[in-house]
Amino acid sequence: KAGVTQTPRYLIKTRGQQVTLSCSPISGHRSVSWYQQTPGQGLQFLFEYFSETQRNKGNFPGRFSGRQFSNSRSEMNVSTLELGDSALYLCASSLVPGGAEAFFGQGTRLTVV
Amino acid sequence: GENVEQHPSTLSVQEGDSAVIKCTYSDSASNYFPWYKQELGKRPQLIIDIRSNVGEKKDQRIAVTLNKTAKHFSLHITETQPEDSAVYFCAASTSGGGADGLTFGKGTHLIIQP
Repeated sequence: KAGVTQTPRYLIKTRGQQVTLSCSPISGHRSVSWYQQTPGQGLQFLFEYFSETQRNKGNFPGRFSGRQFSNSRSEMNVSTLELGDSALYLCASSLVPGGAEAFFGQGTRLTVV
Repeated sequence: GENVEQHPSTLSVQEGDSAVIKCTYSDSASNYFPWYKQELGKRPQLIIDIRSNVGEKKDQRIAVTLNKTAKHFSLHITETQPEDSAVYFCAASTSGGGADGLTFGKGTHLIIQP
């Protein structure tokens, strides 16, 4: 069965622009979580969606948003990009909310210049 | 919210020896504790997990122990091999509840010396 798929794999954007990242979870998984990974801060929770509803959100500004579609695919959007948003963005899918047995995608490497 | 501390940040062991990585958590409501392995340029991979109703779990050369009273859990790797070299992350969450997703430790860079 196919794993978690994230697109695109790499992105270069300019400060002030916005970006949309996509995540397709493992078939049957209804929970999708997003994480930001940087060398300094490690892996930080952004938000989690389950059955098209945002269950919770980490400590990130409102420029970071997301949504989930009826087929469980999820997108995250970052508006007004800042240099500090450069990071690896990972999504993880699981059967139940809360992160249990979560499987990660390969991530989207975002570089803001 | 939850806070997870992980030690050491770097661990170098001789091939064939054992490695132990330790984590502590702050939220007594946390009940799910996974460990992820991330090789350079790759995604984090779930290698083992433990729930709060269990004190120890083993899977071949890997084991995890949990002490709920002390709020700490550890990863043990025996008979280390070169392919064990990677960054290991511990995490904690309140699975199924009003969770903040997985809260991760900062990671341990495990180096296996030949």
